[in-house]
Amino acid sequence: KQEVTQIPAALSVPEGENLVLNCSFTDSAIYNLQWFRQDPGKGLTSLLLIQSSQREQTSGRLNASLDKSSGRSTLYIAASQPGDSATYLCAVSGTGNQFYFGTGTSLTVIP
Amino acid sequence: DAGVIQSPRHEVTEMGQEVTLRCKPISGHNSLFWYRQTMMRGLELLIYFNNNVPIDDSGMPEDRFSAKMPNASFSTLKIQPSEPRDSAVYFCASSFGPGYNEQFFGPGTRLTVL
Repeated sequence: KQEVTQIPAALSVPEGENLVLNCSFTDSAIYNLQWFRQDPGKGLTSLLLIQSSQREQTSGRLNASLDKSSGRSTLYIAASQPGDSATYLCAVSGTGNQFYFGTGTSLTVIP
Repeated sequence: DAGVIQSPRHEVTEMGQEVTLRCKPISGHNSLFWYRQTMMRGLELLIYFNNNVPIDDSGMPEDRFSAKMPNASFSTLKIQPSEPRDSAVYFCASSFGPGYNEQFFGPGTRLTVL
């Protein structure tokens, strides 16, 4: 079974700082990897989806990379803002046609 | 598009009662997922439908849980009888195509079983 790990569990940074969130997975036979954002008491919002044939995807201040061989993905957030404060989850799809989720990184951006 | 719609948003019930959660996926999406989120176990997939057919229900915890998708625009998750350990946030998500394509989540139903 695919296992997804996100480290650190929590991160606090001052506004304006660039930061990297990490996601690792045990089975490299994946179709896609998706990054989500979850605000307290809310559902998950899709941020980026990287297909297995891709190495990175960009959306605004967000850049996600994928290294299948090493079982790693990173989410880079440039010039962080207080509005970026949320929990970020990565999910990896395997041969079972489903996504396996990490437990998330709780990000706090301090004004 | 209104996105994935779930109802109710909050449900408080007593142990032993039947609970029905509802989901309307995004129009045109043919895959639908039910998830449960708790602090202890994180986000868990309960069941996955493709073209209204259950494909993987291995995550359904026990016979007290059942899910149906009578048509492409509606699904239900039923718990009978409910127990306090069922208290969680239940999410519905949908996607276009196979289950590994980009998923879009609803706002969730927060269930509390007393």
